[in-house]
Amino acid sequence: RKEVEQDPGPFNVPEGATVAFNCTYSNSASQSFFWYRQDCRKEPKLLMSVYSSGNEDGRFTAQLNRASQYISLLIRDSKLSDSATYLCVVNRGRGSTLGRLYFGRGTQLTVWP
Amino acid sequence: EPEVTQTPSHQVTQMGQEVILRCVPISNHLYFYWYRQILGQKVEFLVSFYNNEISEKSEIFDDQFSVERPDGSNFTLKIRSTKLEDSAMYFCASSGTSSETQYFGPGTRLLVL
Repeated sequence: RKEVEQDPGPFNVPEGATVAFNCTYSNSASQSFFWYRQDCRKEPKLLMSVYSSGNEDGRFTAQLNRASQYISLLIRDSKLSDSATYLCVVNRGRGSTLGRLYFGRGTQLTVWP
Repeated sequence: EPEVTQTPSHQVTQMGQEVILRCVPISNHLYFYWYRQILGQKVEFLVSFYNNEISEKSEIFDDQFSVERPDGSNFTLKIRSTKLEDSAMYFCASSGTSSETQYFGPGTRLLVL
């Protein structure tokens, strides 16, 4: 089973739409969770960390369900500049795997005018 | 804003040649990482480095690969005898601690012919 699984998309939405991405992870001992975005042929950039209580940063809301090993990202009022690949990332953060990040394959989003 | 830098941005080499990819992590960070991303695939962990030694390496990081921190600022990845399948984007990352956010450099695109 893959460490981190995401729906690859692509998601094509109009400006102003709300879009949600989902992700599941296989290792229940995972400690830290993130959403990164990656523009074409660029490096991953941290979008936001994901906390157990859920967290919001402007138009972006992340949720974590540890029981279901499920992470989500909601983008409201989509902008053209949101077009990118969104990477679900997990850090087990314990023992020998401390620091190692596990990436999903990413979900591609295109926002059209 | 401090950032991770990498050189060169692109490298073309012949199969069997040695390559050295260079990274300058963020100055007060203590943990350093190499990841790679084959075109169209997910980002994969190669190795983590702390206190002048490897903390963890993945199954990809075989005897062909080595890392070094030759001075107080550079962090290098050496591939001794490149293979066609080593063609990928190689990202360096650094973090203050093993559980903190990892910041990625812009990557080196390696093409092995």
